[in-house]
Amino acid sequence: EADIYQTPRYLVIGTGKKITLECSQTMGHDKMYWYQQDPGMELHLIHYSYGVNSTEKGDLSSESTVSRIRTEHFPLTLESARPSHTSQYLCASSPAPGGGYEQYFGPGTRLTVT
Amino acid sequence: KNQVEQSPQSLIILEGKNCTLQCNYTVSPFSNLRWYKQDTGRGPVSLTIMTFSENTKSNGRYTATLDADTKQSSLHITASQLSDSASYICVVSDRGSTLGRLYFGRGTQLTVWP
Repeated sequence: EADIYQTPRYLVIGTGKKITLECSQTMGHDKMYWYQQDPGMELHLIHYSYGVNSTEKGDLSSESTVSRIRTEHFPLTLESARPSHTSQYLCASSPAPGGGYEQYFGPGTRLTVT
Repeated sequence: KNQVEQSPQSLIILEGKNCTLQCNYTVSPFSNLRWYKQDTGRGPVSLTIMTFSENTKSNGRYTATLDADTKQSSLHITASQLSDSASYICVVSDRGSTLGRLYFGRGTQLTVWP
C-alpha cells in the first residue's frame, strides 16, 4: 500500500466556492501528478511537478491551480467551483523521472459541485 | 496519436471462472506497459509492469502478456473471486519524455457474480 493521502475523500459544494484538494505523500518522491477521471473514462493528466517550486500543466486544460512548496505536499485549488468541475481527482507520485518508474495513486477525491 | 484501447468495455463472469482482458496500443516509442486494478471510488493499484523485453509477468492469479511487435497485451485472471470486481486499466508509458508520460485506457469493468 502506497503512502499517499488525499483529503477530503468526498466533497459536495455550491457553485462559486473556493476549494482546495489536499494531497500528501511520505515516500519522499520528487514527481507528483494530478489526474481527473470521469466515470467510465480514462484518467487525464491536469498538473504535474518535478519537485519543489516546479509545476506544469498537463494534457487536459483545467481551471485549477497547484503549488509545490514542500516535497510531500501538492495541493490543488479551484478558485470558483462550477458544476463542470464535478469529477474524481486523483493524486499520484513517483520516485524519479522517466516512464520506467511506478506511479503510486492516492484514493482520490470525489468532487460534486451543485 | 498515442492511444490505448481496451476490450471488452465490461465483462460479467461467475466466481471461480477465468477471464482475459485485452489491450491494444499505438504509443511510441514504447517504454513499458502496466495493468492497474481500480476499485470503485479508489485510486488505481499496480498489478504488473512489463518492459519491451518481457512477454509475460505474473502476480498471483493475475498473468499479463505482452507482444511488443503487434502492440497487444492481455491480462488473464485465474479462478476469479468476488474481490476481483473492479475496473482493470491498461497503461502505456513512452520513452520519449522525461516526465514519464502515461497513456491510460478507459478500462474494462469486471463484475464477478457468486
